[in-house]
Amino acid sequence: AQSVTQLGSHVSVSEGALVLLRCNYSSSVPPYLFWYVQYPNQGLQLLLKYTSAATLVKGINGFEAEFKKSETSFHLTKPSAHMSDAAEYFCAVSVGSGGGADGLTFGKGTHLIIQP
Amino acid sequence: GAGVSQSPSNKVTEKGKDVELRCDPISGHTALYWYRQSLGQGLEFLIYFQGNSAPDKSGLPSDRFSAERTGGSVSTLTIQRTQQEDSAVYLCASSLGATVAQYFGPGTRLTVL
Repeated sequence: AQSVTQLGSHVSVSEGALVLLRCNYSSSVPPYLFWYVQYPNQGLQLLLKYTSAATLVKGINGFEAEFKKSETSFHLTKPSAHMSDAAEYFCAVSVGSGGGADGLTFGKGTHLIIQP
Repeated sequence: GAGVSQSPSNKVTEKGKDVELRCDPISGHTALYWYRQSLGQGLEFLIYFQGNSAPDKSGLPSDRFSAERTGGSVSTLTIQRTQQEDSAVYLCASSLGATVAQYFGPGTRLTVL
């Protein structure tokens, strides 16, 4: 079975600083990896996805993530934080072996705080 | 275009009552998923539909939970004899198929008193 670990339940950065949210996965087969963002009282919005093409994936709102198989990581970065980036971020994995029947396995989430 | 919609957005019910939650997926999406989000358990996968068929129902928390999908579109999640531990946000997602990105609705916040 697959699993996802997000290091740091809360991450605080200053506006304009680099954002780095960590995600490590465990999977016995090549995974599909996703980052979602959730704003208060809203559903999950897809930021970006890795589906075995380029290892550096660019998403919306200036975010990107790099798939590193050797490190089983898929960390999310943004060069310069904006106040509007404050939200909950979830990393998720799917292995697809069940044809989708396993759904997505999510990490516990990282709350990103932006300091003015 | 229209995204995934869910209704109601909020539902308050009394313990022991039945509730029905509805999900309208993005038009043309054949795969539909239900998840539950709670403070204690995080995001849990409940069930997946490909078309009208759900190949694996083992993710449903108990036999009080059931789900169906008709016409390859709308899905309902029914919880019978609700308990306080059922209080959570129920999220629906749809996708063009398994293994591709899922798009989520705004969720239904269920509160069982």
